[in-house]
Amino acid sequence: SAVISQKPSRDICQRGTSLTIQCQVDSQVTMMFWYRQQPGQSLTLIATANQGSEATYESGFVIDKFPISRPNLTFSTLTVSNMSPEDSSIYLCSVPRQGPDGYTFGSGTRLTVV
Amino acid sequence: GENVEQHPSTLSVQEGDSAVIKCTYSDSASNYFPWYKQELGKRPQLIIDIRSNVGEKKDQRIAVTLNKTAKHFSLHITETQPEDSAVYFCAASGEGGYQKVTFGTGTKLQVIP
Repeated sequence: SAVISQKPSRDICQRGTSLTIQCQVDSQVTMMFWYRQQPGQSLTLIATANQGSEATYESGFVIDKFPISRPNLTFSTLTVSNMSPEDSSIYLCSVPRQGPDGYTFGSGTRLTVV
Repeated sequence: GENVEQHPSTLSVQEGDSAVIKCTYSDSASNYFPWYKQELGKRPQLIIDIRSNVGEKKDQRIAVTLNKTAKHFSLHITETQPEDSAVYFCAASGEGGYQKVTFGTGTKLQVIP
């Protein structure tokens, strides 16, 4: 399976600021997925990031709030903009596994907004 | 879109007993059903999956069953051990690596030694 390096692992940020989360994959993947996991909750898909095209956002998520970059087939960033305490969550990137079905997740970024 | 419901939300079992977690889905086009285990503070890890052309799959102490007609699937863990304690998520998607995955709400399993 692909190995994903995600950083930062955690951060405490002031409200109104922005944080950029990075995911680096050790192999080329066509699609990368960004999820949010609020405390004690399930995983909610934010957007799907394709290389060379704009990300596709799920209902309730907008590009102005969660801009995504996908400059090549091994890297993506998610920015959480103009943060408020409600943005405090774990953010995870995910890619399809090599070969079999299923997905591999990054180690997650635990974001606390104060 | 797809909607996945998962029950129970919490489950406590004695070590050595079996645990069963059940999920239902709404989209008849879904044909791939993975299960993820998430230990506290860690990333979700795929533990087993099943495709729509299979009714049951087993991997050591873990088994998954699928009833496509009724649109439900279940995770069975036998001979539970304390290290099985975690949150388990079911999910549903189309088959292939580029399909959107919809997760269930999660089951917190506690195995009591």
